[in-house]
Amino acid sequence: QIQLLQSGPEVKRPGASVKVSCKTSGFPFSNYGISWVRQAPGQGLEWMGWISAYNGDTDYIQKFQGRVTMTTDTSTNTVYMELRSLRPDDTATYYCARGAWEFQMPTTFDYWGQGVLVTVSS
Amino acid sequence: DIQVTQSPSSLSASVGDRVTITCQASQDISNHLNWYQQKPGKAPKLLIYDASDLEAGVPSRFSGSGSGTDFTLTISSLQPEDLATYYCQVYDNLLSLTFGGGTKLEI
Repeated sequence: QIQLLQSGPEVKRPGASVKVSCKTSGFPFSNYGISWVRQAPGQGLEWMGWISAYNGDTDYIQKFQGRVTMTTDTSTNTVYMELRSLRPDDTATYYCARGAWEFQMPTTFDYWGQGVLVTVSS
Repeated sequence: DIQVTQSPSSLSASVGDRVTITCQASQDISNHLNWYQQKPGKAPKLLIYDASDLEAGVPSRFSGSGSGTDFTLTISSLQPEDLATYYCQVYDNLLSLTFGGGTKLEI
C-alpha cells in the first residue's frame, strides 16, 4: 500500500538547520511530485513548495526561498526537506504529501506522511 | 497570489445535522479547489477534489459544490466521527497554492 514515512521529531537552536526525510513506498516514485506543508501548533496549513521526483525540479514559495532546499534520492524513494537559519516561529509539524496525478505539479494531495514536529528553541 | 477566505472558523452541530462550510477565492479559479479533513493529531485527509469529486473511500454524506470564486462543503448528516477541522485548498493557473484558515467542527 502507499506509504509516506517521515523521520522523527527534532529540536533545534535558533540559527541551526534541520533536514527531515519522507520515505515513500507502494507507488512509482519517479512519476510523482511531492509537496511539503507545515502547520504551526494550533494553526492552519501552509504550503511550502514542491519537488518533482521525475526530474528534480523544485518550486518554493517566496517566503522560504533562500532558506529551504528539497531534494530526492531515487535509489531509496526518499524526499528530503532542509530548512536553514531556523527561527522560533519555524516551530511546526512538517508534512510531506504526494500529488494526486502523475507527471504533474502536485496541486491535490492524496497521501500524506505522518508529520514531523520540529521545535526551535534556545 | 491567490487568497481564500473560509467560513465559519468554528462550528458546533449535532449528530444528524446538515453542515455547510464555505470558501471564497480572491479570483476565478474555475474548479481548482480541494477539501481536506484533519482529525486531532493526524495528517490531513483528502475528501473532495476539483470542487465536487469525492475521493475514493470517502462517505457519500460528504459533497462539494461551486465554481469560480464560491465553494461549499456539505456534510448531509453529521456523524460523531466527523469531529475534525476542515480545510479548503485552492490553486490557480500560475500554480500558486494556498489553504483556507480552517473550520473546526465540534459535535
